[in-house]
Amino acid sequence: EIVLTQSPDFQSVTPKEKVTITCRASQSIGSSVHWYQQKPDQSPKLLIKYVSQSISGVPSRFSGSGSGTDFTLTINSLEAEDAAAYYCHQSSSFPWTFGQGTKVEIK
Amino acid sequence: EVQLLESGGGLVQPGGSLRLSCAASGFTFSSYAMTWVRQAPGKGLEWVSVISGSAGTTYYADSVKGRFTISRDSSKNTLYLQMNSLRAEDTAVYYCAKKDSIAVAGTPFDYWGQGTLVTVSS
Repeated sequence: EIVLTQSPDFQSVTPKEKVTITCRASQSIGSSVHWYQQKPDQSPKLLIKYVSQSISGVPSRFSGSGSGTDFTLTINSLEAEDAAAYYCHQSSSFPWTFGQGTKVEIK
Repeated sequence: EVQLLESGGGLVQPGGSLRLSCAASGFTFSSYAMTWVRQAPGKGLEWVSVISGSAGTTYYADSVKGRFTISRDSSKNTLYLQMNSLRAEDTAVYYCAKKDSIAVAGTPFDYWGQGTLVTVSS
């Protein structure tokens, strides 16, 4: 099983700050890495697919990068509406797995 | 507009059974693989099972293999999850999600339902 480890687990950030969330895989997983946002009491929403591909309707301040075992979600100029949990996910091999999540709080 | 509406959750005793349904609309159901993902209270996301658009291919997480069965009925645009031999650790919100391909491999989950809560307790 591919284990995804996100860091940090929690981050408290002021609006307009830049947020960086990392996702490290226990083995190389190619490009089948995706990011989801889950706001309180809502279902998850796809933010970034295949490491860095943008999703229609998602603000351009969200971007993804990485390769091999290390991947990053960046939120440029954080807004209040970005308070949420963020999860990385790999669909490279079964069983598909998620990172443990990173909770972003707005100061 | 893509819509996924789960139903069938509730309280069940350990060892019991439950069948979840996910009614899909707004897209050609048989052209996309579908999946179930669960989230225990206050915890992260856990993938459960996936079925291809043709229903010819299914995969399961080890934690549910042999107890859960995923299926789909394209005539009703509905995805199912039959859950047997339920355990306390199966307590979670169960989400159905659409894959962005007919095949199961590699693709992300591009739309999610609102979820249905399953509670396994005596």
